Amino acid sequence: QITLKESGPTLVKPTQTLTLTCTFSGFSLSTSGVGVAWIRQPPGKALEWLALIYWDDEKRYSPSLKSRLSITKDTSENQVVLTMTNVDPVDTATYYCAQRGLIDIVEVPSSVQGYSYYYGMDVWGQGTTVTVSS
Amino acid sequence: DIVMTQSPLTLPVTPGEPASISCRSSQSLLHSNGYNYLDWYLQKPGQSPQLLIYLGSHRASGVPDRFSGSGSGTDFTLKIIRVEAEDVGVYYCMQGLQIPPYTFGQGTKLEIK
Repeated sequence: QITLKESGPTLVKPTQTLTLTCTFSGFSLSTSGVGVAWIRQPPGKALEWLALIYWDDEKRYSPSLKSRLSITKDTSENQVVLTMTNVDPVDTATYYCAQRGLIDIVEVPSSVQGYSYYYGMDVWGQGTTVTVSS
Repeated sequence: DIVMTQSPLTLPVTPGEPASISCRSSQSLLHSNGYNYLDWYLQKPGQSPQLLIYLGSHRASGVPDRFSGSGSGTDFTLKIIRVEAEDVGVYYCMQGLQIPPYTFGQGTKLEIK
């Protein structure tokens, strides 16, 4: 069974750095194709994707937040850490981590192999709520 | 960034009746492999989002067959043939073709009449 759990401070002051940890079990972040993503949701608003780290340590960031975000992994500890610098009250949100896992192998007759792997965010943590306020 | 636009934003439905949610993307989500990189999620009240549909029309594991996804290119639809009380929540479409970033729609809140 795959599980993920987010942890971190519930209250952060403006301009400070926010550090969130995603601790997971049931999969390995050294398995080819696998990744862990961070997504946030301000109160009453829509989901916003933030960052993704792959098994091979490749990283992807939301262009609008790239200068403020850093994502790292500790494969042996089954953890992924997201840091966000210079937080503002608009960063108040519930922060989720999710596994980027293999969802399906689909037929692609036009390809050399005849199939393609599809990876998606299919298992999410429960989320952790962060308030940015002085 | 690809912009995802959902409609309606609120959807009141009588139990047993059908429901339909539209999702439009600002660019085609059709991959060269012939699949549309469009997923649907449901976020039930107080819960994390759960994957319902992937690649536009494939039901995720454990998802009841009353849910179906269709569409291609820039226009997609999520349908529920008979709404049940447990289907209440906010439905999101998300594109995964041109990343970063993955982008979500604004969400459609399904409520029971």
